[in-house]
Amino acid sequence: EPEVTQTPSHQVTQMGQEVILRCVPISNHLYFYWYRQILGQKVEFLVSFYNNEISEKSEIFDDQFSVERPDGSNFTLKIRSTKLEDSAMYFCASSEGTGGGNSPLHFGNGTRLTVT
Amino acid sequence: KNEVEQSPQNLTAQEGEFITINCSYSVGISALHWLQQHPGGGIVSLFMLSSGKKKHGRLIATINIQEKHSSLHITASHPRDSAVYICAVPKDFGNEKLTFGTGTRLTIIP
Repeated sequence: EPEVTQTPSHQVTQMGQEVILRCVPISNHLYFYWYRQILGQKVEFLVSFYNNEISEKSEIFDDQFSVERPDGSNFTLKIRSTKLEDSAMYFCASSEGTGGGNSPLHFGNGTRLTVT
Repeated sequence: KNEVEQSPQNLTAQEGEFITINCSYSVGISALHWLQQHPGGGIVSLFMLSSGKKKHGRLIATINIQEKHSSLHITASHPRDSAVYICAVPKDFGNEKLTFGTGTRLTIIP
């Protein structure tokens, strides 16, 4: 069965550094998402992406964050100038249709980001 | 903004027991997601439903749109069912932004 793959599985970075989290969504999916889960807390929506542009973003997704689909397969989340509070598990997901409401979501295994 | 409440927060049961996890939300929705988060952290989508009932193996999900309530049932529970079960709904009808519940931590004892 096709999978969403995320790399790296763990990333440790120093405060102030830039990080890029990478995702390869399922190939025929059209909608892509990033979610975040701070340790011990609930999963939070960050951003949705469709047709090469952001379709929705949360209050968390400020100017520090950006997303890109640089080619036909990768979907990346960039965090500029990381802060300690960015430490979390970041999940990528994809769906065939409008996954937020109408299509099942397929999640990657997550990237655990630790900012020191 | 859709508020999501799950109950119970923690549930411990003996192997073989019938399990029920509940989810209530505040704003009308197009569909509700049930997710399973493994101890290692990975998330798997179990169900997406907009009405009635769905069944997959020993798992059953029901939703009552009028009452804004959904339940996830596990029949003949097994230790491998031990995980966190999460309910998620769109912010409002048809919206891409999902709001997640805090999850129910299920532990099945052999």
